[in-house]
Amino acid sequence: EVQLVESGGSLVQPGGSLKLSCVASGFTFSNYWMDWVRQTPGKSLEWIGEINTDGSKTNYAPSIKDRFTISRDNAKSTLYLQMSNVKSDDTAIYYCTMQYSSYIPFDYWGQGVMVTVSS
Amino acid sequence: DIQMTQSPSSMSASLGDRVTITCQASQDIGNNLIWFQQKPGKSPRPMIYYATNLANGVPSRFSGSRSGSDYSLTISSLESEDMADYHCLQYKQYPLTFGSGTKLEIK
Repeated sequence: EVQLVESGGSLVQPGGSLKLSCVASGFTFSNYWMDWVRQTPGKSLEWIGEINTDGSKTNYAPSIKDRFTISRDNAKSTLYLQMSNVKSDDTAIYYCTMQYSSYIPFDYWGQGVMVTVSS
Repeated sequence: DIQMTQSPSSMSASLGDRVTITCQASQDIGNNLIWFQQKPGKSPRPMIYYATNLANGVPSRFSGSRSGSDYSLTISSLESEDMADYHCLQYKQYPLTFGSGTKLEIK
């Protein structure tokens, strides 16, 4: 069974940094692109970015580019989101997600982890 | 970036009603659109992919359609378990973009 479990969410001050993790199980992690999506308190979803199978290529949303970095450790079946210079607008639930089937994008999601940016 | 304009932002309907939610794309996305259902405290669940295809396990009362740049999710006969938020997502072009969401309540 495919499982994605995020961790690392917390309260962080504006301008601070935080690293989220997503541990994957139930499939061969190194074969799949992985994505991060966040959901603001107003409930809108926003795609953050993605990483390819070996970690050599990433794509990001313009709103977070140069502040957030997506990486992965295939030996640990773990996806990461390094957040830097965070702002209050980054307050959200952060999900890792993936396309497991060959035809449905984002068919598996983690349970999400809360990040609150506040002084 | 491609803007996805979703409407309505919220709606209330009675059991058995036909319900339609719409997303309009600001640029051509072909059929590269997916509809998600999200219940309180849960992660999004794909319902319709490639604009018109029903995902596995989704009841047949759900359907997706396209007319030009307008994409619709329709529930033919509303059931209580359909109370949820619904989101569209275009995956034609980077950055991937979501609609603003629709909160569906039962009267």
